[in-house]
Amino acid sequence: LAKTTQPISMDSYEGQEVNITCSHNNIATNDYITWYQQFPSQGPRFIIQGYKTKVTNEVASLFIPADRKSSTLSLPRVSLSDTAVYYCLVGDSYGGATNKLIFGTGTLLAVQP
Amino acid sequence: DGGITQSPKYLFRKEGQNVTLSCEQNLNHDAMYWYRQDPGQGLRLIYYSQIVNDFQKGDIAEGYSVSREKKESFPLTVTSAQKNPTAFYLCASRNPLNTEAFFGQGTRLTVV
Repeated sequence: LAKTTQPISMDSYEGQEVNITCSHNNIATNDYITWYQQFPSQGPRFIIQGYKTKVTNEVASLFIPADRKSSTLSLPRVSLSDTAVYYCLVGDSYGGATNKLIFGTGTLLAVQP
Repeated sequence: DGGITQSPKYLFRKEGQNVTLSCEQNLNHDAMYWYRQDPGQGLRLIYYSQIVNDFQKGDIAEGYSVSREKKESFPLTVTSAQKNPTAFYLCASRNPLNTEAFFGQGTRLTVV
């Protein structure tokens, strides 16, 4: 599975847009990119998934360049409640030979008033 | 309601005792996972199962055992061979044809 690299932590203020970048230089052709959010003492929650270009849902956008060696999770107008750890995962999500879900260390986003 | 349930939420055990953590899902998912999380760290995969009666070791399987006799259930046993069992344990399930993994609320195990 492709290894991912994220910043350990980021700081932001309420109302700002936050972009968290994940590097995955060894991403394979069949791999999808998935982001999860985790609050303290809770299980992670799915945010968004994409394969290429741009994906947007009600909470976030995911930007993936043409070479797919990195991806950027964009959170518009963050609030205090967005303070959490964000994980980037890369893997085959459609029942491929490897069905592991491997989490990296994640990025701790701290939003201040 | 559909979901994934872990029990108990908090568990205390004496050193040297085996303990079993429960994970049940009614989402009809084939794949289930167990993770361990230590303070300030990410999730590490212990075991995973893609189908009933089959499971594979993750990155830190030593000192743990699992069974998958039913699709709905994937219990994890922390054995006395696990040198440092105190941690937060998370169970997840997923349909391999779907994008999203669903997690339980976790079990915080403390060994004294």
